[in-house]
Amino acid sequence: AQRVTQPEKLLSVFKGAPVELKCNYSYSGSPELFWYVQYSRQRLQLLLRHISRESIKGFTADLNKGETSFHLKKPFAQEEDSAMYYCALRIGGNTPLVFGKGTRLSVIA
Amino acid sequence: DGGITQSPKYLFRKEGQNVTLSCEQNLNHDAMYWYRQDPGQGLRLIYYSQIVNDFQKGDIAEGYSVSREKKESFPLTVTSAQKNPTAFYLCASSRVYNEQFFGPGTRLTVL
Repeated sequence: AQRVTQPEKLLSVFKGAPVELKCNYSYSGSPELFWYVQYSRQRLQLLLRHISRESIKGFTADLNKGETSFHLKKPFAQEEDSAMYYCALRIGGNTPLVFGKGTRLSVIA
Repeated sequence: DGGITQSPKYLFRKEGQNVTLSCEQNLNHDAMYWYRQDPGQGLRLIYYSQIVNDFQKGDIAEGYSVSREKKESFPLTVTSAQKNPTAFYLCASSRVYNEQFFGPGTRLTVL
C-alpha cells in the first residue's frame, strides 16, 4: 500500500530563515506528488504538484525518486506562510489522494 | 475556492443518531471524495466515487454510508455504528488527472 510520511509535526522558523518541510513516500511505481496547504480558517488548497514544476508563493519541491522524497522548500520564510502543510500522493487518474499526517509551520517574527 | 459547498458548517449529534452531511459541487467533476481530518492523523479517506451510481470504500468506511445519485452531490451519512464520529469532515472533487478541490468542511460533535 502507498504511504506518505511527514516526520515533523511542528516546525518553527524565524522570519527570513530557510524552510524545508520533509516528505517521504513509499510506492514502487511512479506516483504523482502534491503539497496542499491549510491556512487558518481557510479550506485546504493545492500549493503545488510535481508535474507542473512551478514555484508558488516562493515554494518549490523536487521529486527525488531515488530517495522517494518530495521535500518542500522556501529560501526565506514569511509570517503569512504559517499554516498546516500536507504532502499527498496519487497513483494516477482519479484515484484518491493518500495524505501524510501534516506538518504545522510556524514562522516567528 | 468556490464550487464545492458543504453543509452544515457545525453539526451536533446525540448518541445513537444517524446524521447526514451534505456535499455539492458545480464544477462538473466526475469524482468526489470524503475525508476525515483528526488532529495528528492527517486526512483519511472514508469513501470515494468516480462516477454516478458507483462508489468505493476508503480506509475507514466502517460506520459510514454514501450515495451518488447525481453528479453534483455526494452526501455522507454517519451512522450510530461509527464509534468515534467527532471529527472534521472534508469533501473534495476532481476531474481525471487534475487536482482535488476541497470544500470548507463540516465539524461534527457527538454530545
